[in-house]
Amino acid sequence: DSGVTQTPKHLITATGQRVTLRCSPRSGDLSVYWYQQSLDQGLQFLIQYYNGEERAKGNILERFSAQQFPDLHSELNLSSLELGDSALYFCASSVGDGGAYEQYFGPGTRLTVT
Amino acid sequence: GENVEQHPSTLSVQEGDSAVIKCTYSDSASNYFPWYKQELGKRPQLIIDIRSNVGEKKDQRIAVTLNKTAKHFSLHITETQPEDSAVYFCAAWDSGYTSGSARQLTFGSGTQLTVLP
Repeated sequence: DSGVTQTPKHLITATGQRVTLRCSPRSGDLSVYWYQQSLDQGLQFLIQYYNGEERAKGNILERFSAQQFPDLHSELNLSSLELGDSALYFCASSVGDGGAYEQYFGPGTRLTVT
Repeated sequence: GENVEQHPSTLSVQEGDSAVIKCTYSDSASNYFPWYKQELGKRPQLIIDIRSNVGEKKDQRIAVTLNKTAKHFSLHITETQPEDSAVYFCAAWDSGYTSGSARQLTFGSGTQLTVLP
């Protein structure tokens, strides 16, 4: 157990819908990272927050957005869902900001868009 | 941005043998290289990492080597056991300074390791 929690574990929804994924970092960690893992794309970085502020943006679609709250938990919002958005979504946390810090992954949310 | 290539994509070894997985990276400014183990349907688990100021790091049966000049790093697992069977991912930290892309961990495509009893 990494100490990072994610809810829900599974999510099944229809195309066009909007969902929210939630992540709580390890105690003491200030950074939260979001990743998408699909069979053909591997692990893709989406976005990072550090202490409530956006710090880096990767291959995140405009239909997706995220935020980090004062208690440091983070939410990833996916809207206008398409079949191709079906994937495992992981969040990871680290104590600091940047590459020198280990990232610990949560158990993931499996999203299925039908 | 950073490009990380990982080989082989699949690897089968007999229990007790060694396994080696190799990765190359493109950005000479990368300075942090973690390895993750992912069992089916589970989270990637950090198993070992190395920073660019060292050439080798060991943790029991696992070791990682880094050649900054050649821009490649490798994972070595000795005395493999069936529970080592999983997908292994290498990654490199892209600071974004030279690539111009977002600061991020860029992952390799993974190696499915199967340890045969």
